[in-house]
Amino acid sequence: DTGVSQDPRHKITKRGQNVTFRCDPISEHNRLYWYRQTLGQGPEFLTYFQNEAQLEKSRLLSDRFSAERPKGSFSTLEIQRTEQGDSAMYLCASSFSQNYGYTFGSGTRLTVV
Amino acid sequence: TQLLEQSPQFLSIQEGENLTVYCNSSSVFSSLQWYRQEPGEGPVLLVTVVTGGEVKKLKRLTFQFGDARKDSSLHITAAQPGDTGLYLCAGVRQGNTPLVFGKGTRLSVIA
Repeated sequence: DTGVSQDPRHKITKRGQNVTFRCDPISEHNRLYWYRQTLGQGPEFLTYFQNEAQLEKSRLLSDRFSAERPKGSFSTLEIQRTEQGDSAMYLCASSFSQNYGYTFGSGTRLTVV
Repeated sequence: TQLLEQSPQFLSIQEGENLTVYCNSSSVFSSLQWYRQEPGEGPVLLVTVVTGGEVKKLKRLTFQFGDARKDSSLHITAAQPGDTGLYLCAGVRQGNTPLVFGKGTRLSVIA
C-alpha cells in the first residue's frame, strides 16, 4: 500500500467554475477525512466518512461543497461555483480510529483566479 | 477562539540547540497527537499520547501529555536542520469526533 493518494496535486481554476478532487485512502482504513488548510493556519476539519456513511460535516462546508465516498473506498470532494476564498490546500486523511493517528495525503493545492 | 493554542508561533534556532514547543487548551482531550508538516506536503504523524502524564521519546524528540490531559509539549534535543518544519498538535475531544488542530509552530534550524 502506497499510502493516501490525492489527485490532482495542483489545480488552478477561474472563479465560478466547478472543481472535483479525488482521494484514495489506505485500503484497510475505514475512516476518511477532508481538511482545508490556508497559509499560516493548521488544518481545519471539513467532513468525514466511516465506510460509505458521511458522519459529520463542518459549518465550513457550505452548500457549494459536496463530498462522496461510494462503496466506502475512494472519496471525491466537489466545489461548485468556486470563489477566491476557496483557494487553499485540501487535505485528505484516513485512519483506523481517531486515537491511532491519521495518515495524510500530499494534498491538492487549489488556486481560484 | 482556537481550541488548541500552540506557542511559540515561530522559532528560529542554531543547530545543536534544545527547544520546547507547547500546546495548551482549556478542554480535556482523550488523546493528543503531534504532526510535522513540510511545505507543499501533508502532515506526518510523529506520536500519539493518550494517558495523562505520559511521556514518549522518539530519538531526540520527547513528548509529554499533561496530567489533566489539557496540554502537551514537544522537546527537541540538539536540533538539526532536518528538524525544520511546521509542528502541529491535534486533539480528539471525545468519542469519535475528528481531530482538531492547532495553528502550529514553525521551526527553522540554521546550520
